[in-house]
Amino acid sequence: DAGVIQSPRHEVTEMGQEVTLRCKPISGHDYLFWYRQTMMRGLELLIYFNNNVPIDDSGMPEDRFSAKMPNASFSTLKIQPSEPRDSAVYFCASSSTGGAGGSTDTQYFGPGTRLTVL
Amino acid sequence: QKEVEQNSGPLSVPEGAIASLNCTYSDRGSQSFFWYRQYSGKSPELIMSIYSNGDKEDGRFTAQLNKASQYVSLLIRDSQPSDSATYLCAVNSSFQKLVFGTGTRLLVSP
Repeated sequence: DAGVIQSPRHEVTEMGQEVTLRCKPISGHDYLFWYRQTMMRGLELLIYFNNNVPIDDSGMPEDRFSAKMPNASFSTLKIQPSEPRDSAVYFCASSSTGGAGGSTDTQYFGPGTRLTVL
Repeated sequence: QKEVEQNSGPLSVPEGAIASLNCTYSDRGSQSFFWYRQYSGKSPELIMSIYSNGDKEDGRFTAQLNKASQYVSLLIRDSQPSDSATYLCAVNSSFQKLVFGTGTRLLVSP
C-alpha cells in the first residue's frame, strides 16, 4: 500500500512567487494534516482536515497561506506570495479514526517538500 | 512555557547502553502520547504510543507515562548506531491535534 505522497520533493522559488504543494493521503484515511518543520520552531501544525473539511487552521501563519482539500485523495497548500522566511520542510500526514488509539490515531507522514524561497 | 518540552541534546550513548529520552507537557487534559523517530532528511515515523500511566514495552523500546507529573519518557535498550536519530515527543492537545516537541538528538557510538 502506498504511503502518503507529496510533490514536489524540492522546490526553489523566488520571493513573491506562488508556491503550491500537493499531497495524496493514504487511501481510506479521513484526516489530513499539513505541518511545517524548521530548525528554530520544530514541527508545527498548520491546518488539518476531516472528511475534506478544514477543522482547525489556527496554525496557518498568515493570509498568504491557504489550503484546500477538494476530495478525499488530494490536498494542496498554497503560499502566495512566498517570502524567504517560508523556507522550511512541509509535511503532509494522514490518519484514520478507525484504529484503537483513542481520539488520535497514528499519523503517517509523507516524505515532505523542502521549500527554499530566495 | 512551551506545550511540549524536550532536551535538544545531543544525547550520546555507547552501543549497547540504555538511552533515556524525556519529555514534559503542560496540558493536563492530554490523553494520548507518542514517540516519533526522525532520521536526518527523512519524515517522522511512529515508534511508540501510550495512553495509560505506567510502562509499555515493544521490543527494545519502553515508553513510560506519568500523568500526575506530566512526564513521558522513552527508553531504548541495547542501543545501536542505527538508533541515532532525532526523537520527537508528541502529545494530543485536543481532538486529533498533536503538539510536537522540538526533539532530542540521539547519537549512539560504536
